[in-house]
Amino acid sequence: KAGVTQTPRYLIKTRGQQVTLSCSPISGHRSVSWYQQTPGQGLQFLFEYFSETQRNKGNFPGRFSGRQFSNSRSEMNVSTLELGDSALYLCASSSPARPGLVTYEQYFGPGTRLTVT
Amino acid sequence: KQEVTQIPAALSVPEGENLVLNCSFTDSAIYNLQWFRQDPGKGLTSLLLIQSSQREQTSGRLNASLDKSSGRSTLYIAASQPGDSATYLCAVRRISSGSARQLTFGSGTQLTVLP
Repeated sequence: KAGVTQTPRYLIKTRGQQVTLSCSPISGHRSVSWYQQTPGQGLQFLFEYFSETQRNKGNFPGRFSGRQFSNSRSEMNVSTLELGDSALYLCASSSPARPGLVTYEQYFGPGTRLTVT
Repeated sequence: KQEVTQIPAALSVPEGENLVLNCSFTDSAIYNLQWFRQDPGKGLTSLLLIQSSQREQTSGRLNASLDKSSGRSTLYIAASQPGDSATYLCAVRRISSGSARQLTFGSGTQLTVLP
């Protein structure tokens, strides 16, 4: 079974531009979460989508947004990029709940390295 | 607010040594705890997941324990190898509808195993 895939793997943008990152979850997984990783702040939760609905959102400005499609693929968008948005953006899909076993174990993709200049 | 701390921040050991990585969390109302490994510039690989009702989980040379009441977890690595060199992260998931899948991460322990 294929793992979580993220595209593109690397991206260089200029301040003020916008960017869209894509994530395809493991087949059968319906939950997708996004995290930002920086050397200074570590890993921080951005948002989670389940069945095309945003279920939870972290403490990030409105410039960060996302969506999920009917096939569970997800995109996140960052508008008006700032230098501080340079980070590794990680996507995770959650294991499906089975009767009697709800673990919410998360499986991460390789990430998209965004550099803002 | 849940806070997760990992000590030490960095650890260097000779090959073959057994070692323990520590993780502590401030809110014991957790759903489960997950240990990850991250290689430089890469994503996270799930190592072990411990449900709140469990005390430990084992996978190969890895053993993770959980003491929810004291807010602590340890990851034991037996007979360490140079290939174990990576950053190890622990993350906890709270008991709370709406944030059931959100993980709070520690800052990680960077492990170097010397040949």
